[in-house]
Amino acid sequence: DQQVKQNSPSLSVQEGRISILNCDYTNSMFDYFLWYKKYPAEGPTFLISISSIKDKNEDGRFTVFLNKSAKHLSLHIVPSQPGDSAVYFCAASPSGSARQLTFGSGTQLTVLP
Amino acid sequence: GAGVSQSPSNKVTEKGKDVELRCDPISGHTALYWYRQRLGQGLEFLIYFQGNSAPDKSGLPSDRFSAERTGESVSTLTIQRTQQEDSAVYLCASSLGAGTNYGYTFGSGTRLTVV
Repeated sequence: DQQVKQNSPSLSVQEGRISILNCDYTNSMFDYFLWYKKYPAEGPTFLISISSIKDKNEDGRFTVFLNKSAKHLSLHIVPSQPGDSAVYFCAASPSGSARQLTFGSGTQLTVLP
Repeated sequence: GAGVSQSPSNKVTEKGKDVELRCDPISGHTALYWYRQRLGQGLEFLIYFQGNSAPDKSGLPSDRFSAERTGESVSTLTIQRTQQEDSAVYLCASSLGAGTNYGYTFGSGTRLTVV
């Protein structure tokens, strides 16, 4: 049973436009959420996170939105750049615990020049 | 080193053989995690170390899998009698402390292919 789901395996966006990557979770104990980016043959790298006490966190071109009632979060990238092309993983955990992160299956983003 | 180092980067092994995968975490990072990613799937948690102890081994898929960590540093993941379903990229991550509020730094993984 997947507790973190990324239902879109791939997404293509034109350079300069907005990319929206979605993630749903089922475990109501999750209250800390992260996005990781992964290039081929490299490990995932941390991108941005959000705690459940917030509904939005912004860092430059990247914004994460959290809708706790819907158990849904999304990552917005504006404007999208070709260098953003990568696999994006959503991850979740009970905050402050030593438990491991639970990851989604990833979304391959392709930004077309 | 500056990052998390994993070796080998690629390993092809015959079904039934044992393999050892190594992870060198960032110096001073007390927490160390092993994940694996099978083709088309997400990252699957295997085991977590705090120091040299493993408080959470819940993700190890079978008793063929084991891991240890020594000197609060290097960790080795051992898979005995490998099966084809063990084929995956095995990722190691370390963090400054336990708890997910500390960022994970991942290595680039070991791609294991069991033929």
